Amino acid sequence: GAVVSQHPSWVICKSGTSVKIECRSLDFQATTMFWYRQFPKQSLMLMATSNEGSKATYEQGVEKDKFLINHASLTLSTLTVTSAHPEDSSFYICSAKTGGALSPLHFGNGTRLTVT
Amino acid sequence: RKEVEQDPGPFNVPEGATVAFNCTYSNSASQSFFWYRQDCRKEPKLLMSVYSSGNEDGRFTAQLNRASQYISLLIRDSKLSDSATYLCVVTLSIMTTDSWGKLQFGAGTQVVVTP
Repeated sequence: GAVVSQHPSWVICKSGTSVKIECRSLDFQATTMFWYRQFPKQSLMLMATSNEGSKATYEQGVEKDKFLINHASLTLSTLTVTSAHPEDSSFYICSAKTGGALSPLHFGNGTRLTVT
Repeated sequence: RKEVEQDPGPFNVPEGATVAFNCTYSNSASQSFFWYRQDCRKEPKLLMSVYSSGNEDGRFTAQLNRASQYISLLIRDSKLSDSATYLCVVTLSIMTTDSWGKLQFGAGTQVVVTP
């Protein structure tokens, strides 16, 4: 069964509004979660690493003020896309590891964001 | 050069046939390897880990060649439901500032199984 749950699965919003995406670990504590973005026919791109109780680590080129990450508990990380624009339309996926550093990632079901 | 490279395909495979494809990685410090399957507009799902000695899971066989720095995936007796994009994921050494190990994703190989 799923070990990482993501909500919502899809969202349509108007340009200029903000959208919050939730990522929950089920039955395990995730001190670290990862947020990815994927455009059609492209590979997953790591946006940021979310750390419980501390600031997220953003990848180069990802605006931290635009993509706000909050990891307030051991089972929940949120990604807020602020002032969304059509170019932010994408598939956003969170993930976490249930094991150590070399263990595989388990992905949430993803959120398809469409900004009109 | 990309750190993890895959042939994008598509590999068009008749149902029941065998298909195999590789994934090359550039960093010799890579320590763990995985194949994921991603269906259209869905999240990636772990298909199998790849072990040094090679491993098999039903119709799927994964191999690791450290000398040539590639992993492979072979699918026997292909089913229509095997149509998907297969992602290669490589984890670099944990001896970095990132204690979680740095993951590298290939862009995926598309497999299309036809009746």
